[in-house]
Amino acid sequence: GAVVSQHPSWVICKSGTSVKIECRSLDFQATTMFWYRQFPKQSLMLMATSNEGSKATYEQGVEKDKFLINHASLTLSTLTVTSAHPEDSSFYICSAKGAGADTGELFFGEGSRLTVL
Amino acid sequence: GQNIDQPTEMTATEGAIVQINCTYQTSGFNGLFWYQQHAGEAPTFLSYNVLDGLEEKGRFSSFLSRSKGYSYLLLKELQMKDSASYLCAALDSNYQLIWGAGTKLIIKP
Repeated sequence: GAVVSQHPSWVICKSGTSVKIECRSLDFQATTMFWYRQFPKQSLMLMATSNEGSKATYEQGVEKDKFLINHASLTLSTLTVTSAHPEDSSFYICSAKGAGADTGELFFGEGSRLTVL
Repeated sequence: GQNIDQPTEMTATEGAIVQINCTYQTSGFNGLFWYQQHAGEAPTFLSYNVLDGLEEKGRFSSFLSRSKGYSYLLLKELQMKDSASYLCAALDSNYQLIWGAGTKLIIKP
């Protein structure tokens, strides 16, 4: 199946700093990428949907100025957590939907575990 | 509103069969996914159903009834490695995945 690579897998940062997470589709062009967040013992929560070349669409309650999403190419989307705080510590996962993927099947990255001290 | 319901936790015995049910209510419907997620890892795709009926894939099968808004995941010949959370997700008319909270499956020897 298609491969989505997410980097970094683990990141620890100090409160107030910014962290960038990359999501790459390695063997297909991803017209749409989704960013999710998962807190311990909870389900995945969709944060935003990004389409290549356009602004991301954020879910209700997600601060677009805090979680900056850039989808500049068909193979790369980035999520930047700005001025991170301990409550932002979570598991962040991206998924990608390829062009012409009629089934709508999503391919997931490995996830990035963010710990903010 | 949109909603996915599935049991919070199930327990089964190694070698047995278990069925995990899922009911959904969405704005439009473009298919039903089942994903497996081990603790601390990203979900992995198991199955996709868009037509009524049973889809079999090795030890795992998935069933869909669109008229009833119902699906189930059937796991046969359970192995200890099948202990995981199983997520049901429906694709709505905007191709957004609506996720259930997941069913934690515990396999006992």
